Amino acid sequence: SQWGEENLQALSIQEGEDVTMNCSYKTYTTVVHWYRQDSGRGPALIILIRSNEREKRSGRLRATLDTSSQSSSLSITAAQCEDTAVYFCATDPGGADRLTFGKGTQLIIQP
Amino acid sequence: GPKVLQIPSHQIIDMGQMVTLNCDPVSNHLYFYWYKQILGQQMEFLVNFYNGKVMEKSKLFKDQFSVERPDGSYFTLKIQPTALEDSAVYFCASRRGRNYAEQFFGPGTRLTVL
Repeated sequence: SQWGEENLQALSIQEGEDVTMNCSYKTYTTVVHWYRQDSGRGPALIILIRSNEREKRSGRLRATLDTSSQSSSLSITAAQCEDTAVYFCATDPGGADRLTFGKGTQLIIQP
Repeated sequence: GPKVLQIPSHQIIDMGQMVTLNCDPVSNHLYFYWYKQILGQQMEFLVNFYNGKVMEKSKLFKDQFSVERPDGSYFTLKIQPTALEDSAVYFCASRRGRNYAEQFFGPGTRLTVL
């Protein structure tokens, strides 16, 4: 899970495996954004799921959202080396025009 | 896809000096943001800007910070004077409009205050 006082999490898996990253948030949000950040670059949006959606798919990515438990997950199917990055969830608390980011998960895909 | 540019990529300055970070947002975007990321920590919102005005700022946006976008040119973050705790990577972001949720981020400016 990305929230709380824990440091940036690290996750290492083999190429071809599936992986799921979790995110919990504290305040109502209208949308959960999932960003990936490659070393030395800014975050890039990979999938966005709105509060009226329970699941969203995009290629090998699948995001879920449970508004009752205020949690979201991002799954990557058949991970590839190029999926190595830091993945963040972000919310717009109360519909505010700003993003609140989780601490992130460092995902490393081993060949 | 749409790109946000930031200049410079790195800046090293002495404590107490002034620094200006420049952002070239996506051309037809209307909303602009600055975020701060200290190494190993989560990115944190500083300020948003729309129609020539600051709409919201966080407690991290100290009195020494200011933003502007004169005549549709660069969206700038100025820190005067700088302090050691201002060392971080600063990310600019822009958003197309009211009905668009995605914020597009620049590559960041790494600021080191000595």
